[in-house]
Amino acid sequence: ETGVTQTPRHLVMGMTNKKSLKCEQHLGHNAMYWYKQSAKKPLELMFVYSLEERVENNSVPSRFSPECPNSSHLFLHLHTLQPEDSALYLCASSLQRGKETQYFGPGTRLLVL
Amino acid sequence: GENVEQHPSTLSVQEGDSAVIKCTYSDSASNYFPWYKQELGKRPQLIIDIRSNVGEKKDQRIAVTLNKTAKHFSLHITETQPEDSAVYFCAASAVDNLFFGTGTRLTVIP
Repeated sequence: ETGVTQTPRHLVMGMTNKKSLKCEQHLGHNAMYWYKQSAKKPLELMFVYSLEERVENNSVPSRFSPECPNSSHLFLHLHTLQPEDSALYLCASSLQRGKETQYFGPGTRLLVL
Repeated sequence: GENVEQHPSTLSVQEGDSAVIKCTYSDSASNYFPWYKQELGKRPQLIIDIRSNVGEKKDQRIAVTLNKTAKHFSLHITETQPEDSAVYFCAASAVDNLFFGTGTRLTVIP
């Protein structure tokens, strides 16, 4: 599937590193999301962008910094992460924010050492 | 905010049997309820959804029922096959966001 893509697929980083996750969609969607998926926990919504404007930040630590330069691209900048931040980070998009089908990317499996 | 609970967390069935996964939600304003399937190492994918103006929706072997009064909805899979083995997530949409359940790992035993 090529609707929503994410890079890299796997990432190992130290606690002092700076890295960025990238998400791209060419579905013509106006809303994009970052989720964190940890074992035995629900999908946790981190950030929501609608028409390139951040509309939601669910009390995410400042070591995670999102960026949405246009409606097709979404980044998650990572800085001084903790081992408990190790998880699968999923990007999703939908036509509009709200009661619409969300299409997920394949995720980035992040390991913080 | 919305709270979605999902049961059971794991479910094993024999091939050909039915599987039922149940979810409850807390916000009576929720009116969109999708179900996602996530196979091992893959992304979650929508398999069926229902809106609050209907009580049941069916798509081949998959059906979803909604009881708005009791605030619960269920996924029914009939004639299960090994390829149905995956983690299934329910979700409820209150206002503008989706709130997910914790997932059910379904194993279909051949």
